Amino acid sequence: GESVGLHLPTLSVQEGDNSIINCAYSNSASDYFIWYKQESGKGPQFIIDIRSNMDKRQGQRVTVLLNKTVKHLSLQIAATQPGDSAVYFCAEAVGYSTLTFGKGTMLLVSP
Amino acid sequence: EAQVTQNPRYLITVTGKKLTVTCSQNMNHEYMSWYRQDPGLGLRQIYYSMNVEVTDKGDVPEGYKVSRKEKRNFPLILESPSPNQTSLYFCASSLSPQGSSYEQYFGPGTRLTVT
Repeated sequence: GESVGLHLPTLSVQEGDNSIINCAYSNSASDYFIWYKQESGKGPQFIIDIRSNMDKRQGQRVTVLLNKTVKHLSLQIAATQPGDSAVYFCAEAVGYSTLTFGKGTMLLVSP
Repeated sequence: EAQVTQNPRYLITVTGKKLTVTCSQNMNHEYMSWYRQDPGLGLRQIYYSMNVEVTDKGDVPEGYKVSRKEKRNFPLILESPSPNQTSLYFCASSLSPQGSSYEQYFGPGTRLTVT
């Protein structure tokens, strides 16, 4: 079947580099922002989320930054590994109802 | 093992023939949702449910129905499928909306082709 990775912006990095994936969101009323990772042939997997009252949140090897002034969200992955190769989606939500996903970015990590 | 299951995983059908895609979760989650994923369009929410007997439309509900009679199950019903409903479908679930995280668990996907 057709890959969901077709037609996506692609970020190519070397193993060990830090990766930054960016996302512009549209709704200034959104109060939850979430990053998901989707490997080929699998469902999306939650990475990290952040509420609108925060501007930074850290997880294991990942950091999410939120800039509400310009409606921008970024995901930083430290020491990127080949296993990080996937499509990454940002998503926004108002309250706990509808969740709107971005189009996605494909991350390719070469050894 | 905590998981979301969907059945069938693959389905080829003809226009107008009613079908149901089942979704079940074993994590006692209150929130469940259906998405479709299409190349170039990303994931779009079809319907969601905050709890038993409570369902709401997402961004693309036309042509779909859902029900939530039990907490663990959230079937997606296509009463009269059309070719534009050919897509990859995902079910997801998460804890109560009062939880501190928005972590959703996704099923493995159902690839539907309508001819």
